[in-house]
Amino acid sequence: NAGVMQNPRHLVRRRGQEARLRCSPMKGHSHVYWYRQLPEEGLKFMVYLQKENIIDESGMPKERFSAEFPKEGPSILRIQQVVRGDSAAYFCASSPLDAYGGPTGELFFGEGSRLTVL
Amino acid sequence: DAKTTQPPSMDCAEGRAANLPCNHSTISGNEYVYWYRQIHSQGPQYIIHGLKNNETNEMASLIITEDRKSSTLILPHATLRDTAVYYCIVRRTISSGSARQLTFGSGTQLTVLP
Repeated sequence: NAGVMQNPRHLVRRRGQEARLRCSPMKGHSHVYWYRQLPEEGLKFMVYLQKENIIDESGMPKERFSAEFPKEGPSILRIQQVVRGDSAAYFCASSPLDAYGGPTGELFFGEGSRLTVL
Repeated sequence: DAKTTQPPSMDCAEGRAANLPCNHSTISGNEYVYWYRQIHSQGPQYIIHGLKNNETNEMASLIITEDRKSSTLILPHATLRDTAVYYCIVRRTISSGSARQLTFGSGTQLTVLP
């Protein structure tokens, strides 16, 4: 059973370009979280999605960042017009459902996508 | 969710038990205690969670005090590969349709020494 798959593992962009990070959750998981970790800092929640639905985007920057989790295919975190401050590791996680049909607290994380903005 | 307090760093000798404390004095009755760790540059890894009873799995044991205001994660025989940042997180149970992400604090940097 493959774990959470993220790609690319490393991405280099110049300022002003777009970055697209992809995440395939574990088989059978329909909830996806995105976290960002700036250099030497902790993990910060960005967004939580179910298939075709954004549930909580309270951690997303107001501009340039968007996320989707289509019915088919991976979840995508999109960063438009990247700036140097966007350089970070972006982690995706998925979780199974609990007895209430919501996500459990047991998150399975991918290995992250490391974005470097030149 | 209740806030947690952890020491910023700890050392442990290889082969000895590592005991990582966590204070969560404002925890509510419906909040679980979760532990995760992050080995350098890797994605975080779930370790264990509990509500009020002590829990044990193949990785670790979780001891929660009777008043639930603090807990201890125990790695019974620490190895060099256990060197990581360990996060104690409190999260309430949720009902269907609501969402609750995990909030990671600063954690404890555990260094296992040879």
